[in-house]
Amino acid sequence: QVHLVESGGGVVQPGRSLRLSCAASGFTFSSFAMHWVRQSPGKGLEWVAVISYEGRDDYYADSVKGRFVISRDNSKNTVYLQMNSLRPEDTAMYYCVKGLSMVQADSWGQGTLVTVSS
Amino acid sequence: FMLTQPHSVSESPGKTVTITCTRSSGSIADNYVQWYQQRPGSSPTSVIFEDSERPSGVPDRFSGSIDTSSNSASLTISGLRTEDEADYYCQSYDTVNHVVFGGGTKLTVL
Repeated sequence: QVHLVESGGGVVQPGRSLRLSCAASGFTFSSFAMHWVRQSPGKGLEWVAVISYEGRDDYYADSVKGRFVISRDNSKNTVYLQMNSLRPEDTAMYYCVKGLSMVQADSWGQGTLVTVSS
Repeated sequence: FMLTQPHSVSESPGKTVTITCTRSSGSIADNYVQWYQQRPGSSPTSVIFEDSERPSGVPDRFSGSIDTSSNSASLTISGLRTEDEADYYCQSYDTVNHVVFGGGTKLTVL
């Protein structure tokens, strides 16, 4: 059974940084792409970033390109999202998602809430 | 491109409801469509992948299809139950860095 546990969320001031982590279990982590998807309070889903199974390729939504970096450590079954230069509009629940492919989501974690506010 | 869904739909228990997802540009048939269910206070779960495939554990009351004439995808839920009340999101893509979600449809089971 796929199990994804996000951590690292919290309240942060605009312009600061935060790193999210997602610990995976229940599947062969090193064989699957991993995504981050976010959801602003009361709003819909927004894809953020994806990383390939071996960590060689990564892609980003235009809204976060140049500010966020996705990475993974297959020895620790963990994927990360380094978020820099945070803005109030980055306030959202951030979900770690096992990829069915580089462009399709599969199983979702419970999310970690990031609030950007002064 | 964008994926447009109705803001809300409602239907009675036992009935059938269809939620549409219209692609603004590019063919709906060119890239797979996925559907996710998000119950209140919970994270999303997959109910349809690759246009019409059901993940294991999803009941066959859920079905997906695409219609090239309207350039749209549809999620149909038959034999509605109160537990089906949720937000439903479609998702597709055109390139590897352009993954798009629809705005979501709130299903109310009256």
